[in-house]
Amino acid sequence: AQSVSQHNHHVILSEAASLELGCNYSYGGTVNLFWYVQYPGQHLQLLLKYFSGDPLVKGIKGFEAEFIKSKFSFNLRKPSVQWSDTAEYFCAVLGLGSQGNLIFGKGTKLSVKP
Amino acid sequence: DSGVTQTPKHLITATGQRVTLRCSPRSGDLSVYWYQQSLDQGLQFLIQYYNGEERAKGNILERFSAQQFPDLHSELNLSSLELGDSALYFCASSVGLGIGTQYFGPGTRLLVL
Repeated sequence: AQSVSQHNHHVILSEAASLELGCNYSYGGTVNLFWYVQYPGQHLQLLLKYFSGDPLVKGIKGFEAEFIKSKFSFNLRKPSVQWSDTAEYFCAVLGLGSQGNLIFGKGTKLSVKP
Repeated sequence: DSGVTQTPKHLITATGQRVTLRCSPRSGDLSVYWYQQSLDQGLQFLIQYYNGEERAKGNILERFSAQQFPDLHSELNLSSLELGDSALYFCASSVGLGIGTQYFGPGTRLLVL
């Protein structure tokens, strides 16, 4: 069965610090990978996605993620966080050839101190 | 704004009752997915429809059902509600079946008292 692990439950950073959120997935075949963000009280918004090609993908608001196939990882990074990045971040995998639903990690809550 | 709309935004009801949640997908999207977000279970897939037909089921209780209408909007019906059904229910849509990006609606927050 597919699964997604996000290792950090809650990350607290000061503004301008660098961010890396870990995501590992288990699925034997080809995958599409996603990072979604959920700001307090709001719905899920797509940050970035990987379908194929360059394993380093850039998303909105300065976020990027790197797909490392050998490690089954898709870590999210941002060089310098802002207070407005305070939110919950979800990694999700879509296994091609699967039923088509996203499998989500448990989420990582990011708190950025001003 | 993702283009996916959901109504109502909030719903408060009592145990044993039945409610209907509504979702309109983005223009052109044929697939609709329903997810439940709760503190203990996280984000869980419930059910998927594609062009009016049920295509996949996840951890959906037998008390829950859904359908997708010819105009592609979808409804999720929750019956014999229990306290544990209190959660945020999201609808997402995508163009195709099993591929592509899913765009999420604002969700319906259900509180069962």
